[in-house]
Amino acid sequence: QVQLQQSGAELVKPGSSVKISCKASGYTFTSYDMHWIKQQPGNGLEWIGWIYPGNGNTKYNQKFNGKATLTADKSSSTAYMQLSSLTSEDSAVYFCARGWPFAYWGQGTLVTVSS
Amino acid sequence: DIQMTQSPSFLSASVGDRVTINCKASQNINRYLNWYQQKLGEAPKLLIYNANSLQTGIPSRFSGSGSGTDFTLTISSLQPEDVATYFCLQHNSWYTFGAGTKLELK
Repeated sequence: QVQLQQSGAELVKPGSSVKISCKASGYTFTSYDMHWIKQQPGNGLEWIGWIYPGNGNTKYNQKFNGKATLTADKSSSTAYMQLSSLTSEDSAVYFCARGWPFAYWGQGTLVTVSS
Repeated sequence: DIQMTQSPSFLSASVGDRVTINCKASQNINRYLNWYQQKLGEAPKLLIYNANSLQTGIPSRFSGSGSGTDFTLTISSLQPEDVATYFCLQHNSWYTFGAGTKLELK
């Protein structure tokens, strides 16, 4: 069965970076986009971008250009998202989800930005 | 950018009630709309895709309708396990979520 297993919660300092992972299993990793979504309490959900692990192509929501960097490691079937120059506005739960129709989601990774 | 206006933001209903949740797109999105259920502390679960197709394993009391700009999620007979937040997602142009509807039992 398809599973997306995300890395654990992170507590990071303002101005730093964080890299979270999403390990895929149960399907051919290189055949589907992997998307990343941000969820903040009270602010709903925002689509960050996607990566196609087959060729490394990426597409970003303009709002997250320069903030998020998506990569993928085919050898380990793992997608990564790095968030840089962190501020309190980046504190959120981040989900990975397999391509449309987003039927499969990771369990979410809580990122807390605090000094 | 396409905006999704979801209503109501909060809904209280009794077991057995028929419940409807709406999403309105700021422009035509054809049928590129999905509905998700999210329980506290969990990942979203796909209920309906392409506006009216029931995802495998989802109870038939859930249904979706609409096309163009106006869409509806209907729960025909509310069950206690349906307490959750529901949101829509469009993919006609990039991806935009509705703000969510929190459903509780009366």
